[in-house]
Amino acid sequence: SQTIHQWPATLVQPVGSPLSLECTVEGTSNPNLYWYRQAAGRGLQLLFYSVGIGQISSEVPQNLSASRPQDRQFILSSKKLLLSDSGFYLCAWGTGVAVTGELFFGEGSRLTVL
Amino acid sequence: AQSVTQLGSHVSVSEGALVLLRCNYSSSVPPYLFWYVQYPNQGLQLLLKYTSAATLVKGINGFEAEFKKSETSFHLTKPSAHMSDAAEYFCAVSPYNDMRFGAGTRLTVKP
Repeated sequence: SQTIHQWPATLVQPVGSPLSLECTVEGTSNPNLYWYRQAAGRGLQLLFYSVGIGQISSEVPQNLSASRPQDRQFILSSKKLLLSDSGFYLCAWGTGVAVTGELFFGEGSRLTVL
Repeated sequence: AQSVTQLGSHVSVSEGALVLLRCNYSSSVPPYLFWYVQYPNQGLQLLLKYTSAATLVKGINGFEAEFKKSETSFHLTKPSAHMSDAAEYFCAVSPYNDMRFGAGTRLTVKP
């Protein structure tokens, strides 16, 4: 069966420090991969998605970046965190979302920037 | 661009009462529509989906939603609320390879 792992689960970082959140999927090949951010009262904001290795689509211009070095690995990074980067980050995978209609989410990473 | 709007950021019902969570969509083509549920500090899980088959869609945990093209709506309902239904609910639309979510509705169930 397919599983998705996301870490770390909780992170407290100072302003200006770097960030790396990692997500891996097991049990499937060539998934579509997604990073969402959930801020209090603001729903889910799509940050990046990827339909293949090295292919990243960015939805929101900001100081975050994403990379997909391997088929089932998706990394969210920042060189210098801002206070506004605080939130709950969710990684998800899907296969042909528009057809199957389901995204499978990780447990999330809660980032607090102080 | 396709999008969804959820009406009401908070809904409170008594246990056993009807649950109605509202979602309206905007799409220039027939949409794929979804409802997800999120329990505290967890990821989201799919409740149900509409993919242009039957307009009344049944999901898990007794939830259902009806696609109404004339009203551009996809409201989520459950005849009788249970305490375990307390969570945040998200309506979503899928344009192509991504999925766009509404702002969410937090459901509170009072005993």
